[in-house]
Amino acid sequence: SAVISQKPSRDICQRGTSLTIQCQVDSQVTMMFWYRQQPGQSLTLIATANQGSEATYESGFVIDKFPISRPNLTFSTLTVSNMSPEDSSIYLCSVGRGNYEQYFGPGTRLTVT
Amino acid sequence: AQSVTQPDIHITVSEGASLELRCNYSYGATPYLFWYVQSPGQGLQLLLKYFSGDTLVQGIKGFEAEFKRSQSSFNLRKPSVHWSDAAEYFCAVGADNTDKLIFGTGTRLQVFP
Repeated sequence: SAVISQKPSRDICQRGTSLTIQCQVDSQVTMMFWYRQQPGQSLTLIATANQGSEATYESGFVIDKFPISRPNLTFSTLTVSNMSPEDSSIYLCSVGRGNYEQYFGPGTRLTVT
Repeated sequence: AQSVTQPDIHITVSEGASLELRCNYSYGATPYLFWYVQSPGQGLQLLLKYFSGDTLVQGIKGFEAEFKRSQSSFNLRKPSVHWSDAAEYFCAVGADNTDKLIFGTGTRLQVFP
């Protein structure tokens, strides 16, 4: 498994601003993932962030809106840019441990007003 | 393409009663299957996983799941539910030729005393 922390745990932001979410892992991992979970919904994968390569975005998500950094094997950030109320969600990072096994951080609850 | 179906959106049980949460998947070969639990305000916690071998797998918190190829199912069970089991439960399958997970829509479990 892995111990994963996220900062901030929650935030309330104004429309048009940006928020950067940090994900820290207690061990080195190659694969990291960023998800969005809209209220009452399941998880939607935003992008895969493997260290040493550019993030790979899923359909419907673009780098200009959700830029991701992966500077080393224990850390990643996701920025939600030019926010609108529709971006209000829980944002989760996870790490891959092989054979599709993933471990999740506690999530960042974002409210955009 | 693979998919996961959780037919029950919401289940209510009494504390001490048995529980079965349904999960059906579509996949040609032997899938990698997972159950996660998300308590209110928390991230996802891995309950159990199936890759191969014994079709009855034991997980944490007294949960078990049985892989039934003939029914394309991977139902989660617990013989006696505790009030602390109230949460959202997600079934997931590994997406072929990727490192990604495909999640079901989730089942919300409510436990009455």
